[in-house]
Amino acid sequence: DAGVIQSPRHEVTEMGQEVTLRCKPISGHDYLFWYRQTMMRGLELLIYFNNNVPIDDSGMPEDRFSAKMPNASFSTLKIQPSEPRDSAVYFCASRLMVMNTEAFFGQGTRLTVV
Amino acid sequence: GDSVTQMEGPVTLSEEAFLTINCTYTATGYPSLFWYVQYPGEGLQLLLKATKADDKGSNKGFEATYRKETTSFHLEKGSVQVSDSAVYFCALTHRGGNKLVFGAGTILRVKS
Repeated sequence: DAGVIQSPRHEVTEMGQEVTLRCKPISGHDYLFWYRQTMMRGLELLIYFNNNVPIDDSGMPEDRFSAKMPNASFSTLKIQPSEPRDSAVYFCASRLMVMNTEAFFGQGTRLTVV
Repeated sequence: GDSVTQMEGPVTLSEEAFLTINCTYTATGYPSLFWYVQYPGEGLQLLLKATKADDKGSNKGFEATYRKETTSFHLEKGSVQVSDSAVYFCALTHRGGNKLVFGAGTILRVKS
């Protein structure tokens, strides 16, 4: 398996524009997580899905953020409208629904909002 | 709620020095414990894990022992290399739990 695949790797956009980040989890994994990493806040869990259903979105910072998982092999995180403070690295991770197993992370998307 | 506390960095060492990165946790019951490593420009990858008290996880010369009495999972390596320079994250999850709770991360810099 190629691992968790995220696209794009880098995104630069202007304030006010819509941004869509994409993630393909490892085949067969039941859970999918979206994290945001910044110097100030470290690694924050935004939302996670179990079998394509959103379970906990309490980490989503504002209504400008939304996430979907239309099928087991694809998820998106959308920011509309984007703001400079959204600049961060966004990670997607997936894992099996088996006790004590680890999560596997993608390479991340570095988002810069100017 | 559950939480993980790591020693603040950056930690700067010379090559071949001994490394310890402290990690303590707060959680009910018996969580599973993990160390992840993040190399520059990359995602997090699992370094080692331990799933019950007194277990020792090890990988690439790194070790950590699950100490329930002190709620700790300190990371150690006997002789660090420049290539070990990275950010190290301690994390936990509960048995049957869904999500990982991460510490703030500790930057390690190894000088040649």
